Amino acid sequence: TQLLEQSPQFLSIQEGENLTVYCNSSSVFSSLQWYRQEPGEGPVLLVTVVTGGEVKKLKRLTFQFGDARKDSSLHITAAQPGDTGLYLCAGGLWGSYIPTFGRGTSLIVHP
Amino acid sequence: DARVTQTPRHKVTEMGQEVTMRCQPILGHNTVFWYRQTMMQGLELLAYFRNRAPLDDSGMPKDRFSAEMPDATLATLKIQPSEPRDSAVYFCASGLLWTSGGYNEQFFGPGTRLTVL
Repeated sequence: TQLLEQSPQFLSIQEGENLTVYCNSSSVFSSLQWYRQEPGEGPVLLVTVVTGGEVKKLKRLTFQFGDARKDSSLHITAAQPGDTGLYLCAGGLWGSYIPTFGRGTSLIVHP
Repeated sequence: DARVTQTPRHKVTEMGQEVTMRCQPILGHNTVFWYRQTMMQGLELLAYFRNRAPLDDSGMPKDRFSAEMPDATLATLKIQPSEPRDSAVYFCASGLLWTSGGYNEQFFGPGTRLTVL
């Protein structure tokens, strides 16, 4: 079983639509990170959230860390083809500096 | 623009051969990670170094895999002997450990795509 469950696994939408992807766990994390990976490349860090209830915005992307620090969400407004990629969440358990990755959400945005 | 570099980008080899993958972390980073990514398993942590010391290699098959950091500018992952099931993309990442926050921020290299025939 995965420590971090991401949903949905796959998402195919049209340009301009909004979407939300989720990262859930039964464990409490000291921090949680979101990465985006494009085909043939390594993951690129988008954001780190460290405080329960924290909301961070990066242009059209909004990241939220759950109050209980067990879950997180990524919301994209008005998706663009350039948002296409694999979105990975990674969490660090309390006392461990080693992040655990979810399996990812594969997003395709059609023009 | 500081980046993690990995060599080779692609490697095709035959079963039983030795494979060595190299990584140059970003200067000043104090942590290095090796991951393996496959469609079936996603990203799996193989090894973790902090200040060049190996702290966790529990995800690595010890009988055939080894990871080292001979100096601050080089990390290596070696497979000997290689097997077809080792075919995957191997990523190196370097990062900064924020002890106050208890997390690592990782910067990934472009990966080495390994095919073992």
